[in-house]
Amino acid sequence: GENVEQHPSTLSVQEGDSAVIKCTYSDSASNYFPWYKQELGKRPQLIIDIRSNVGEKKDQRIAVTLNKTAKHFSLHITETQPEDSAVYFCAAIISGGYQKVTFGTGTKLQVIP
Amino acid sequence: DAGVTQSPTHLIKTRGQQVTLRCSPISGHKSVSWYQQVLGQGPQFIFQYYEKEERGRGNFPDRFSARQFPNYSSELNVNALLLGDSALYLCASRLEVANEKLFFGSGTQLSVL
Repeated sequence: GENVEQHPSTLSVQEGDSAVIKCTYSDSASNYFPWYKQELGKRPQLIIDIRSNVGEKKDQRIAVTLNKTAKHFSLHITETQPEDSAVYFCAAIISGGYQKVTFGTGTKLQVIP
Repeated sequence: DAGVTQSPTHLIKTRGQQVTLRCSPISGHKSVSWYQQVLGQGPQFIFQYYEKEERGRGNFPDRFSARQFPNYSSELNVNALLLGDSALYLCASRLEVANEKLFFGSGTQLSVL
């Protein structure tokens, strides 16, 4: 089955710096890669996603890149703010009529004011 | 619009008991999926349902079962509870099978004593 590895498990950055979180996946059939932000005690919230036919996507301070050949994708957060502090999860999804979803183990991001 | 709603929010059971968790998707969403999130880990995919049919299954034992009703709400049942079943159970809905974006509920925190 699919295996998703996520690194680092914890990340501390100074406010205003950039943060990068990386994920690798094993199943080449995965074709959709979302990123979720989960604050303590709250539901995971979709922050950005990318499909396998796209190499990069950007939304304001957040961007995601995908390298299908290497089977890895990354989340980039620029100009970090204290409110970016949360746990971030990547996922690799085989979409279609029969869906399979595999999440990474999470990265706890701390933005230091 | 109301988001994905789950009930109950918290539940305490003892080993060997059975539990039923409930989920109502976002209005208009036809697909519901269930996830188990153990503290400090990413959500683990349990089931996906679309139009009352199972459309995805993760690596969980047969003690876990689910169903979806004509109004697209869903129940997750877990029989013969084990201590290791203690976790946050998340439900997510999506609009259609072809639409990958998942929207999560706040979860049910299950404690098995």
